[in-house]
Amino acid sequence: DSGVTQTPKHLITATGQRVTLRCSPRSGDLSVYWYQQSLDQGLQFLIQYYNGEERAKGNILERFSAQQFPDLHSELNLSSLELGDSALYFCASSGRQGASVYEQYFGPGTRLTVT
Amino acid sequence: GQNIDQPTEMTATEGAIVQINCTYQTSGFNGLFWYQQHAGEAPTFLSYNVLDGLEEKGRFSSFLSRSKGYSYLLLKELQMKDSASYLCGLSADRGSTLGRLYFGRGTQLTVWP
Repeated sequence: DSGVTQTPKHLITATGQRVTLRCSPRSGDLSVYWYQQSLDQGLQFLIQYYNGEERAKGNILERFSAQQFPDLHSELNLSSLELGDSALYFCASSGRQGASVYEQYFGPGTRLTVT
Repeated sequence: GQNIDQPTEMTATEGAIVQINCTYQTSGFNGLFWYQQHAGEAPTFLSYNVLDGLEEKGRFSSFLSRSKGYSYLLLKELQMKDSASYLCGLSADRGSTLGRLYFGRGTQLTVWP
């Protein structure tokens, strides 16, 4: 158990819909990261938040947005869903005092299926 | 941009040693790391290299040559539980709070009894 929690574990929805994925980081970690993993693209970085502010962006689609709240939990919002958005979405956290940002702790993931 | 190459699949026998290679091209470099991912599970951190050379951590070692854009992960005394995908990745950003990581497609290692 990494200490990172994600909900829901599975999500099945239709094209055009909007969903919200939730992540709670490890206690003490200030950074939250979102990744998308699909068979054809591998594990892709989407976005990083550090202590409530956006810190780095990857190839995140405009239809996707995220935020980190004052209690450091984060949400990833996916809208106008397409079949190609079906993937495993991981949240990770890092950034405790003295720890490397590279040593990221991943949550169990949310498997999104768009039908 | 970043380009990371690693073999798609490898097989080895229990008790043996296996070396998983990774080559990369990047416009910036701040560290090379390895993660392990069992099927259906989350990636878990194994190691990272910032400077050239070998980093040893128990049965796992990781090597980096920045001039050659090359790294390898060495797994000794292989066990069945080492069957997993091994992800090579890098960070191209400078800054202690920047954690944007770029991953390769992963090498699926199968350990046979």
